[in-house]
Amino acid sequence: GNSVTQMEGPVTLSEEAFLTINCTYTATGYPSLFWYVQYPGEGLQLLLKATKADDKGSNKGFEATYRKETTSFHLEKGSVQVSDSAVYFCALSDTGANSKLTFGKGITLSVRP
Amino acid sequence: GAGVSQSPSNKVTEKGKDVELRCDPISGHTALYWYRQSLGQGLEFLIYFQGNSAPDKSGLPSDRFSAERTGGSVSTLTIQRTQQEDSAVYLCASSSGLAGSQETQYFGPGTRLLVL
Repeated sequence: GNSVTQMEGPVTLSEEAFLTINCTYTATGYPSLFWYVQYPGEGLQLLLKATKADDKGSNKGFEATYRKETTSFHLEKGSVQVSDSAVYFCALSDTGANSKLTFGKGITLSVRP
Repeated sequence: GAGVSQSPSNKVTEKGKDVELRCDPISGHTALYWYRQSLGQGLEFLIYFQGNSAPDKSGLPSDRFSAERTGGSVSTLTIQRTQQEDSAVYLCASSSGLAGSQETQYFGPGTRLLVL
């Protein structure tokens, strides 16, 4: 079955530091890949997505590239801000009409001033 | 509406009681999903609706869990004879249902269920 593995957390960084959050997946077919974010006290929201190999998703300074050869979708940001403090979830959805999401465990990012 | 809404936002119940959780998806969205977010298990898929049909119920953890959707809109998740392990945040999401796996799912704020 499908699975998503995220690096263990939590992660604490200083403002303006470089961020990488690793994500690898196992899936049949050609899944779409997503990063969702949950800010404190808020609901899950889509951060970025990529729907085919070598696609790069980007939003709010975050980027992730769909790497089929390494089955990875690592999230990066060049300079984090305090407002980026949140829980980040990597997820995939399989091909077909049923696009149910399989999530990683999530990782908590704290950015200190 | 403007987004996915869920009610109640919080629910405290006693073990053995039944509870109903409601989800109101984005207007016009034909696909609706229920997920559960718990400390031990992370985010898990429960059930998928396309219109009023549920072609995938594979994530429902036991026969105490059921869900229905009427009029292609509002969905209700029912948990019978609640147990303490049912305590979690129950999330609902909807999408347009037109583009399959490439679609973005929009999540509601969740219902936080505590079973005493």
